[in-house]
Amino acid sequence: EIVMTQSPATLSVSPGERATLSCRASQSVSSNLAWYQQKPGQAPRLLIYGASTRATGIPARFSGSGSGTEFTLTISSLQSEDFAVYYCQQYNNWYTFGQGTKLEIK
Amino acid sequence: QVQLQESGPGLVKPSQTLSLTCTVSGGSISSGSYYWSWIRQPAGKGLEWIGRIYTSGSTNYNPSLKSRVTISVDTSKNQFSLKLSSVTAADTAVYYCARVGIAVAGAGFDPWGQGTLVTVSS
Repeated sequence: EIVMTQSPATLSVSPGERATLSCRASQSVSSNLAWYQQKPGQAPRLLIYGASTRATGIPARFSGSGSGTEFTLTISSLQSEDFAVYYCQQYNNWYTFGQGTKLEIK
Repeated sequence: QVQLQESGPGLVKPSQTLSLTCTVSGGSISSGSYYWSWIRQPAGKGLEWIGRIYTSGSTNYNPSLKSRVTISVDTSKNQFSLKLSSVTAADTAVYYCARVGIAVAGAGFDPWGQGTLVTVSS
C-alpha cells in the first residue's frame, strides 16, 4: 500500500496570505495525485488532479505542483471560505489518502 | 450535472451486514468512462477507499476489506450498492459514494454524494 503523509497537521495562516501544504508518497505515484477540500459536515470536493490540473470551477488561487513522491498545494491569497481540511490522494496504485492538513485562521 | 445520493440504515448491529445504495442522477451509470466507488470516513479521521465497480459489474476492493465487501450495480435503476459483512464498532463511519474516472489522468473522485452516517451498535 502506498502511504501518503501530509504536513503540517495544522497550519495557521491569516486571510490574504499564502498557504503551502505538503504531501509525500511512500513510493513514486508519478503525477497521479489529487487534492480535496473538506468543510465540516460536507463531502470532500475535488480541487486538483494530475498533480497540477484544477478541477472544473476551482478558483485560480489554488495551484498544485510536484511529481514522484513530493507534492505541494498552494493557496495564493486565502479567503475566508478556504479554511478547511485538505487531503491529498494517490491513484497510481489503487487509492490512498493522506491524513489531512487542517488550515485554520491565524 | 451528475449527482449521487446514498441511502440505507443508519444503525447496524455488530456481526450483521451493512447495506447501502447509491443512486445516480443527471447521468447514466452505464457511461463507459467511469468507475463508481465507495469511500468511508470515521468521525474525526481520514478517508478510506472501500472499493469500486464498473458498469459491466467488474469490481476491485481495498485489500484490507476485501474479505467482507461486496459491491454490485443495477444499471436499470442507475444505482450501485455496498454490502459490508461482519461489522464491528470499527466500521462506524460516514459512507460516501463517488465517481472516479477510468483514465488515470483524470482519476480524482468527483462528484461525491453527501454521505450517510452508519453506526454499528447493539
